[in-house]
Amino acid sequence: DAMVIQNPRYQVTQFGKPVTLSCSQTLNHNVMYWYQQKSSQAPKLLFHYYDKDFNNEADTPDNFQSRRPNTSFCFLDIRSPGLGDAAMYLCATSTRGRGSNQPQHFGDGTRLSIL
Amino acid sequence: AQKITQTQPGMFVQEKEAVTLDCTYDTSDPSYGLFWYKQPSSGEMIFLIYQGSYDQQNATEGRYSLNFQKARKSANLVISASQLGDSAMYFCAMRGATGNQFYFGTGTSLTVIP
Repeated sequence: DAMVIQNPRYQVTQFGKPVTLSCSQTLNHNVMYWYQQKSSQAPKLLFHYYDKDFNNEADTPDNFQSRRPNTSFCFLDIRSPGLGDAAMYLCATSTRGRGSNQPQHFGDGTRLSIL
Repeated sequence: AQKITQTQPGMFVQEKEAVTLDCTYDTSDPSYGLFWYKQPSSGEMIFLIYQGSYDQQNATEGRYSLNFQKARKSANLVISASQLGDSAMYFCAMRGATGNQFYFGTGTSLTVIP
């Protein structure tokens, strides 16, 4: 089945220690997104790629960076995680089809804890 | 600017009953899409149903239907014959005809009571 896969499902890191979350997709979608979601809140868009074009949200901290080496993979790098970065991180994909009828397909998320 | 509003932080429904989750939106785009997602406690976001702004009929997918009232800018989700497994957070989202961003509401937590 075509899908969006996030690894790992749970990640524990130390305060200030760089961490990388990964996302892969078999849907061949040209748009990939990273969201941060804290408890009982809506997902907050950090950035997205349209093919290789990177689009950063204005309020995304510099501490968060992303790489998309090819269509299938996208990575979220947190350079110096703080306690406030503990959250669920969701990867999603979509296509840039005609109009607005293409939904996002989400991975299962990575729950990040900071010690 | 695009905005999605979900005014019900929490809802309760008796098993086998129907429930309506409210969603209103604001956009200046002439063409847009509206989506509902379900997020169980395990965290994954599951796409449920889509409604296009030019669709003449309300969308339906199994027990899910969308009550779309364009003039009122509302896109309420109706879940019929609620099941215990429907207990989850539900998010309404919108996408414009141009651009790749999705705009999410704050969500409604639904609890199905046996």
